[in-house]
Amino acid sequence: AQSVAQPEDQVNVAEGNPLTVKCTYSVSGNPYLFWYVQYPNRGLQFLLKYITGDNLVKGSYGFEAEFNKSQTSFHLKKPSALVSDSALYFCAVLRGGYNKLIFGAGTRLAVHP
Amino acid sequence: DGGITQSPKYLFRKEGQNVTLSCEQNLNHDAMYWYRQDPGQGLRLIYYSQIVNDFQKGDIAEGYSVSREKKESFPLTVTSAQKNPTAFYLCASSGYTSGLGDKGLEQYFGPGTRLTVT
Repeated sequence: AQSVAQPEDQVNVAEGNPLTVKCTYSVSGNPYLFWYVQYPNRGLQFLLKYITGDNLVKGSYGFEAEFNKSQTSFHLKKPSALVSDSALYFCAVLRGGYNKLIFGAGTRLAVHP
Repeated sequence: DGGITQSPKYLFRKEGQNVTLSCEQNLNHDAMYWYRQDPGQGLRLIYYSQIVNDFQKGDIAEGYSVSREKKESFPLTVTSAQKNPTAFYLCASSGYTSGLGDKGLEQYFGPGTRLTVT
């Protein structure tokens, strides 16, 4: 069965430091992977996706993610964190038809001044 | 939150009452989705629809019903049969059937409706 795991419930980072939010996946075939961000009491916003090609994917707000097939990972990264990056981050993988997504449980990112 | 609106933002109901959550999109997307979000559980798919007058059950459809009479609208009814209806409900759409290529795989989400049933 296809699944996504986000092993950390919360990540704490100091402003200006690099951040990483981890995601691992389990799928049959080639994975289509996504990162979304959710601010309090809001819907999800698309950050970036990996479909094929370059393993380093660049997205919105300075975020990027590295696809690693051997480690079945798709970690979200940013070189320098901002307090405004504090939010809930979801990793997701496409499954089956109809463009259905499977979401991880989410990781809360807290960036401290 | 793109071109998707959900109303109301907050909804309070008594146990045993059915309630309908609204979702409208002006993105001209064929596909629409309903998710339920509970703390620590991520998003779970309730129903999805690829085209007008067609919809499919997702992973947790019991106690919910939907309709898709118009391309722009995909209302969700939470029935009294749903044992634990208090949650944050999110509607989304995507244009994956619209010839958008990889761009069509991105789902656009509404702002959500927080339903509290007491």
